[in-house]
Amino acid sequence: NAGVMQNPRHLVRRRGQEARLRCSPMKGHSHVYWYRQLPEEGLKFMVYLQKENIIDESGMPKERFSAEFPKEGPSILRIQQVVRGDSAAYFCASSPYSGGDRETQYFGPGTRLLVL
Amino acid sequence: GDSVTQMEGPVTLSEEACLTINCTYTATGYPSLFWYVQYPGEGLQLLLKATKADDKGSNKGFEATYRKETTSFHLEKGSVQVSDSAVYFCALGGTGGGNKLTFGTGTQLKVEL
Repeated sequence: NAGVMQNPRHLVRRRGQEARLRCSPMKGHSHVYWYRQLPEEGLKFMVYLQKENIIDESGMPKERFSAEFPKEGPSILRIQQVVRGDSAAYFCASSPYSGGDRETQYFGPGTRLLVL
Repeated sequence: GDSVTQMEGPVTLSEEACLTINCTYTATGYPSLFWYVQYPGEGLQLLLKATKADDKGSNKGFEATYRKETTSFHLEKGSVQVSDSAVYFCALGGTGGGNKLTFGTGTQLKVEL
């Protein structure tokens, strides 16, 4: 059973470009979460999605950031017009919809974004 | 709002020493509590969890007990190994599933021979 997959693992962008980060949840998981880890800090929640629905986006910056989880395909975190402060590791996690394990989130390896 | 406070690192220990990493939390309701471990350049791996008061989570020699009266979830191991060197994160999650995790800032552990 493959774990949570994220790609790319490393992404370099120049200021003003767009960054697209992809996340495929574990098989059978219908909940996806995105977190951001700034250097020397813990993880901060960004957004929680189910298929075709954003459930909680309370941690998302108001501008330039968006997320989706379409009916088919991976979840996408999109950052428009990146700035140097967006440089961070972005982690995706997934959890099942029901069952005894539904409170546990399983993390992917992360995408490390560097903005030049 | 919910918050997690962890002891600051780095913590440096000799191999076979005892480990305690303190974690306290503030939350409404009755959250689930987790410890995750992050090795250099990797994502977070679930180490152990507890879903209700007095539950003890354990894995790979690590243990933590959910103490509601002291709002704590301290991580312990009786004898650490060099391979335990990593960053450890305490986290709390909402009840009922489908909620965000709130993380502490992480504690770096270095184990030396």
